[in-house]
Amino acid sequence: SQQGEEDPQALSIQEGENATMNCSYKTSINNLQWYRQNSGRGLVHLILIRSNEREKHSGRLRVTLDTSKKSSSLLITASRAADTASYFCATHNSGGSNYKLTFGKGTLLTVNP
Amino acid sequence: DSGVTQTPKHLITATGQRVTLRCSPRSGDLSVYWYQQSLDQGLQFLIQYYNGEERAKGNILERFSAQQFPDLHSELNLSSLELGDSALYFCASSVGTGGNIQYFGAGTRLSVL
Repeated sequence: SQQGEEDPQALSIQEGENATMNCSYKTSINNLQWYRQNSGRGLVHLILIRSNEREKHSGRLRVTLDTSKKSSSLLITASRAADTASYFCATHNSGGSNYKLTFGKGTLLTVNP
Repeated sequence: DSGVTQTPKHLITATGQRVTLRCSPRSGDLSVYWYQQSLDQGLQFLIQYYNGEERAKGNILERFSAQQFPDLHSELNLSSLELGDSALYFCASSVGTGGNIQYFGAGTRLSVL
């Protein structure tokens, strides 16, 4: 069953603009991860944020986590055409079924040159 | 390059047939995960193995089975194939279980005609 739900399902922006994607989840988590998938390729890990962290940065990526609202956001600043991809959040639940990550359905980001 | 190798990259077969997909995890990773990705269902978790033992099961059909061998490579067997089984099948690996970062292979694209 899906845990994370990304919003929006699709996002189209111009190069240089910032892109924000959101992920909501239902149960308590140990960590939340964001992955990127270029069309037809394997997923690539971007960033991991633990449940006791509120914000994390990696290059042009900024991830926030609000455990009280059970939500996370991924911000990509100064977007480039190469950022065009699907972005997935994945949660590691703290309760049962904690042997694996649970992936959302993804946000399709299109960055127009 | 994630270090996870999947073969074959493409597979075209007919309904009713049986195929085997192969995955070699990253060196040192003990966990292997299998996912199915189709346009209408998104990324679906199928099954996970850790050091040769099954650890978690997702939406895996009874027609599908998997195993992880002593050298840690894994195989996913799909039998009595149906048109709806056409999808991208990904293998991922991680050091441990649970919330570890997963490294994805490039996938096997299965077309059932």
